[in-house]
Amino acid sequence: AQSVTQLDSQVPVFEEAPVELRCNYSSSVSVYLFWYVQYPNQGLQLLLKYLSGSTLVESINGFEAEFNKSQTSFHLRKPSVHISDTAEYFCAVSDLSSGTSYGKLTFGQGTILTVHP
Amino acid sequence: KAGVTQTPRYLIKTRGQQVTLSCSPISGHRSVSWYQQTPGQGLQFLFEYFSETQRNKGNFPGRFSGRQFSNSRSEMNVSTLELGDSALYLCASSLGGGNTIYFGEGSWLTVV
Repeated sequence: AQSVTQLDSQVPVFEEAPVELRCNYSSSVSVYLFWYVQYPNQGLQLLLKYLSGSTLVESINGFEAEFNKSQTSFHLRKPSVHISDTAEYFCAVSDLSSGTSYGKLTFGQGTILTVHP
Repeated sequence: KAGVTQTPRYLIKTRGQQVTLSCSPISGHRSVSWYQQTPGQGLQFLFEYFSETQRNKGNFPGRFSGRQFSNSRSEMNVSTLELGDSALYLCASSLGGGNTIYFGEGSWLTVV
């Protein structure tokens, strides 16, 4: 079984400041790692994912996350945030032992990022 | 390309009733999964279907059930509704095998 811990429930920052949203996971097997973003009254949108290869993954809107196997972490960072980044962010893992289907995600409790002008 | 479509978007039911939620996955996706999102419990996995077979099931009571049709469309049913079943129910689809999992906008269920 896996578990995901998002260390901060709320993160307030000012516009153009850097931000880091922390995520730690626990699993006895190898996992895939994901960050999803949820805007108010909407579903989840994939921000970025780590499946294999380079431990640093980037999204098209400036976010990046680094997989650290020794620390079992997958922290999300952005060097300069915008007002439009205000949303709730979820870290998730998928168990590689699930067989040919990977639709079972285990989510963290979410981090609400609020960007102030 | 159409995304994951969920219907209805909003509904109100009375305790003891049952409800059926529908999900149309992205064309070509054979994996469909369902999640419940509540302020207290967060996002919790309900079940996953792949080619009409239930592959994984979360820790929910038997009142929660689902199925997938040959065209990959899926339905979930909740019987004997309880107040605690009030939640956002999210459907997601993917090609499977580590491919990106896409979520729908969700169905907001309120039980009164």
